[in-house]
Amino acid sequence: QQQVKQSPQSLIVQKGGISIINCAYENTAFDYFPWYQQFPGKGPALLIAIRPDVSEKKEGRFTISFNKSAKQFSLHIMDSQPGDSATYFCAASYSSGTYKYIFGTGTRLKVLA
Amino acid sequence: SAVISQKPSRDICQRGTSLTIQCQVDSQVTMMFWYRQQPGQSLTLIATANQGSEATYESGFVIDKFPISRPNLTFSTLTVSNMSPEDSSIYLCSVGGRQYSYNEQFFGPGTRLTVL
Repeated sequence: QQQVKQSPQSLIVQKGGISIINCAYENTAFDYFPWYQQFPGKGPALLIAIRPDVSEKKEGRFTISFNKSAKQFSLHIMDSQPGDSATYFCAASYSSGTYKYIFGTGTRLKVLA
Repeated sequence: SAVISQKPSRDICQRGTSLTIQCQVDSQVTMMFWYRQQPGQSLTLIATANQGSEATYESGFVIDKFPISRPNLTFSTLTVSNMSPEDSSIYLCSVGGRQYSYNEQFFGPGTRLTVL
């Protein structure tokens, strides 16, 4: 029940295309869903996050879509650029108490120039 | 957000020795977390460190192997004890807690550890 399943494991997209990464969770007590971007040799950086009271959040080229009934959320990267090539992690957490994150397995994105 | 530094950034150690990793943040935070990230893998939480209390360890991690200190609201250390090659990994600290509007966590740059 504590797992967050992430797919695909890797993704290759042409420059200008849309990258889509999906995550699914089981525990309905989770109430905060962030996405992190990690470049090689760096720590993960918070990209965008959503709470379950909204179905979509957009920040620039990055959009999170959230489906509470299906217990799924996804990251969409519009107009993907070579600089977006990185590993992306979704996570789920509780916004009180332990504040712990459960991370997905990661998606390695490569955007071709 | 927060600016987080870790020392050392990388190290190569001999089997059986111990390494202490430092994590410094530029503002007071209630919670600090230590993660392990094995090459090409996801992040696994080792423990949560709150100032003034004992660290809370996740299943599979024990205090004797990964002792943690949290002497104040801006600093924490993680020691990897009696190392073996299986401990080769990236160790990351992060900060979070109720001082942020939402449940954000901000990560340090990581410490890359190689055990020979």
